Amino acid sequence: DQQVKQNSPSLSVQEGRISILNCDYTNSMFDYFLWYKKYPAEGPTFLISISSIKDKNEDGRFTVFLNKSAKHLSLHIVPSQPGDSAVYFCAASGSHDMRFGAGTRLTVKP
Amino acid sequence: NAGVTQTPKFQVLKTGQSMTLQCAQDMNHEYMSWYRQDPGMGLRLIHYSVGAGITDQGEVPNGYNVSRSTTEDFPLRLLSAAPSQTSVYFCASSYDRGLIYGYTFGSGTRLTVV
Repeated sequence: DQQVKQNSPSLSVQEGRISILNCDYTNSMFDYFLWYKKYPAEGPTFLISISSIKDKNEDGRFTVFLNKSAKHLSLHIVPSQPGDSAVYFCAASGSHDMRFGAGTRLTVKP
Repeated sequence: NAGVTQTPKFQVLKTGQSMTLQCAQDMNHEYMSWYRQDPGMGLRLIHYSVGAGITDQGEVPNGYNVSRSTTEDFPLRLLSAAPSQTSVYFCASSYDRGLIYGYTFGSGTRLTVV
């Protein structure tokens, strides 16, 4: 069963605008949530994380929001840049492992 | 600064063959994991290890074995390759559970089973 779901396979935004990537989870025992970015032919790279006791974490252009009651998190990228074009994975951490969503391909158009 | 090194980068196997995917990290990380990436499925956990001598199964462990005799190395063995194991395999490591700084991933091994 997929405990972490990214329902949008792709997203296209204009350079300078906001990108919003969404993720839902089913397991209320997850205690940390993370976002990774992946370029073709490379491994994923860590972007930002948030503890389940917080509802927002910000790092430069990247902000992650967590809504525990809805079991939903989102990643906001503002302003979006062409170099942000990549596949973004959300992940949730359980006791000793990390579960990933299927990914959302973000395209930022100049 | 090597990070996580995976070898080989590409491999073609015939059904029934066995092989070992190598993973080594030089960051003294306790946690190591193996994931496979398939279209539409994202990254699925195969096996993980919380330290030398300790391994456990993830979501999709069938057909794979692991061992962790040293902190640095975490090889993944395919016992009898099947076409369903055609995938991109990623090894990852982290200092703790990867909560604050995430996992460090290798660049992947693309495996095709014919």
